[in-house]
Amino acid sequence: DIQMTQSPSSLSASVGDRVTITCRASQSFSSYLNWYQQKPGKAPKLLIYAASSLQSGVPSRFSGSRSGTDFTLTISSLQPEDFATYYCQQSYSTPRAFGPGTKVEIK
Amino acid sequence: QVQLQESGPGLVKPSETLSLTCTVSGYSISSYYWSWIRQPPGKGLEWIGYIYYTGTTNYNPSLKSRVTLSVDTSKNQFSLKLSSVTAADTAVYYCAGEKNYYFDYWGQGTLVTVSS
Repeated sequence: DIQMTQSPSSLSASVGDRVTITCRASQSFSSYLNWYQQKPGKAPKLLIYAASSLQSGVPSRFSGSRSGTDFTLTISSLQPEDFATYYCQQSYSTPRAFGPGTKVEIK
Repeated sequence: QVQLQESGPGLVKPSETLSLTCTVSGYSISSYYWSWIRQPPGKGLEWIGYIYYTGTTNYNPSLKSRVTLSVDTSKNQFSLKLSSVTAADTAVYYCAGEKNYYFDYWGQGTLVTVSS
């Protein structure tokens, strides 16, 4: 099974900051990596699919990239509505697996 | 607009079977892989398994011995049964749809508590 790790587990940032979250897979695969945003009491929302494709309706300040087994989610300029928990998820194989999450909090 | 809605008991006794149904509206159930995903309070997301409209299933090995997924295409619904539940199965259970290797449709989630 593919295991996913994320770093950091949490971070504090200010509005306007550039934020980067990293996700690493336990084995190499191509771009079957997705990013979700979850706010308290809500279902996860798809932000990025296939490592770098922006889901329809998601602001362009969100972007994703891949380098080997490392995947990165970047928020170019953090907005108040972006404070949430972010999860990566691999869809290369089953069982589907999510990273443990990164909580983005207000500094 | 595609909508998913989970339904089922919010309280289940230990050792009994948890049963949930997801109703899909606004889209045919015949075009997606339909998953159940759960999230214990304050914790991360765990994929339980998926079912295709043909009845093909794929389960997380960690739960495989206790999970059964089924689909009813006439009602545009799919269901989850999880047997021999314990307190560790207390979680918000989400149904979700996957077509192109990502979950783009999610239900709102339903909290199931395992307690006597």
